[in-house]
Amino acid sequence: DQQVKQNSPSLSVQEGRISILNCDYTNSMFDYFLWYKKYPAEGPTFLISISSIKDKNEDGRFTVFLNKSAKHLSLHIVPSQPGDSAVYFCAAKGYNAGNMLTFGGGTRLMVKP
Amino acid sequence: NAGVTQTPKFQVLKTGQSMTLQCAQDMNHNSMYWYRQDPGMGLRLIYYSASEGTTDKGEVPNGYNVSRLNKREFSLRLESAAPSQTSVYFCASSEDGHPQETQYFGPGTRLLVL
Repeated sequence: DQQVKQNSPSLSVQEGRISILNCDYTNSMFDYFLWYKKYPAEGPTFLISISSIKDKNEDGRFTVFLNKSAKHLSLHIVPSQPGDSAVYFCAAKGYNAGNMLTFGGGTRLMVKP
Repeated sequence: NAGVTQTPKFQVLKTGQSMTLQCAQDMNHNSMYWYRQDPGMGLRLIYYSASEGTTDKGEVPNGYNVSRLNKREFSLRLESAAPSQTSVYFCASSEDGHPQETQYFGPGTRLLVL
């Protein structure tokens, strides 16, 4: 049973508009969440993270929102650019799970010019 | 700084063959990890090493062995490859395993087992 789920395998948006990528989790022991971006034939690269003591973290065009009661987080990209086209993975860490990251299945984002 | 490097980039094996995937990092990180990525499954942790000389099982360790050769290198061995091990394998490293730090990934090794 997947503890971290990204229910949308793909998302297509127009350049300049907002992209919203969603992630749900089931394990209430998770206390730190990360988003990774992956281009084809490359490894994932860290994008942004959020601790469970916060509900929002912003870094330039990227904002992550955390709703602990709903066990839901989202990544907002504003404005979206063609170079943002990639697969985005949500990941979570539990405070009692050492260094282990649990990943979602990924969402492929396509930003159309 | 090359970051995290992996060899080979691509490998085809026959069922029952063995091979070792190599990983090295030049960031002086203490922790290293091996993941596999399968379609729709995200990345799943196979093994990790919190420091030189230590290794621990992750979510999907069966069929694999690892060696933390030194602080820089962490290898993954398939003793008898099976078609179910067809996947893309990623190595990663992090500085000291602090809960709020990030992991840095290599470019991956694509493995096909026939």
